[in-house]
Amino acid sequence: DTAVSQTPKYLVTQMGNDKSIKCEQNLGHDTMYWYKQDSKKFLKIMFSYNNKELIINETVPNRFSPKSPDKAHLNLHINSLELGDSAVYFCASSTGTLQNYGYTFGSGTRLTVV
Amino acid sequence: GENVEQHPSTLSVQEGDSAVIKCTYSDSASNYFPWYKQELGKRPQLIIDIRSNVGEKKDQRIAVTLNKTAKHFSLHITETQPEDSAVYFCAASTPGFQKLVFGTGTRLLVSP
Repeated sequence: DTAVSQTPKYLVTQMGNDKSIKCEQNLGHDTMYWYKQDSKKFLKIMFSYNNKELIINETVPNRFSPKSPDKAHLNLHINSLELGDSAVYFCASSTGTLQNYGYTFGSGTRLTVV
Repeated sequence: GENVEQHPSTLSVQEGDSAVIKCTYSDSASNYFPWYKQELGKRPQLIIDIRSNVGEKKDQRIAVTLNKTAKHFSLHITETQPEDSAVYFCAASTPGFQKLVFGTGTRLLVSP
């Protein structure tokens, strides 16, 4: 059983389109995250949810909207896609006490905007 | 907020050599420092971590050291093997912030 699963794995789309990425975890974790990894491999946090509540919202364009229907799911919707949105997006989860176990990452979604 | 710097950005070693990657952090309240390994096209995976009440931790060929006074921590890999080739990330977490701040990554290449 995959602990943190993301779909789709690859996403190629044209500028201006709207797309969604889905994430599900079966670890019973309370907190889920979206990170963006750019072409230089830098991992930057975008959002974090704890038990369906938004707790971290970094300086991300409002074209990005996360949604957490329950604590096992965290989706990311992106409107009006731009070339600069091309990156790998990782979902991750952790227990309420981050310091005990760190993150478990999903396998990533490689988004290419053309 | 927390800022984590990581050096070097690339590191090439011969098989069997040791490799050391260093990180510094800015927030003296940070108390959890994990290291992640990311192979090409794969997800980052936790390989070792250390908490602020410990100075050193070992797990077979890998070890991590923490110097709280200087606010830096290091990853040591001994007897490197080609399968150690990957990008390694350090990270730090501050109580109450519930997030990991990552370093910029080190690309390690181990040549046979």
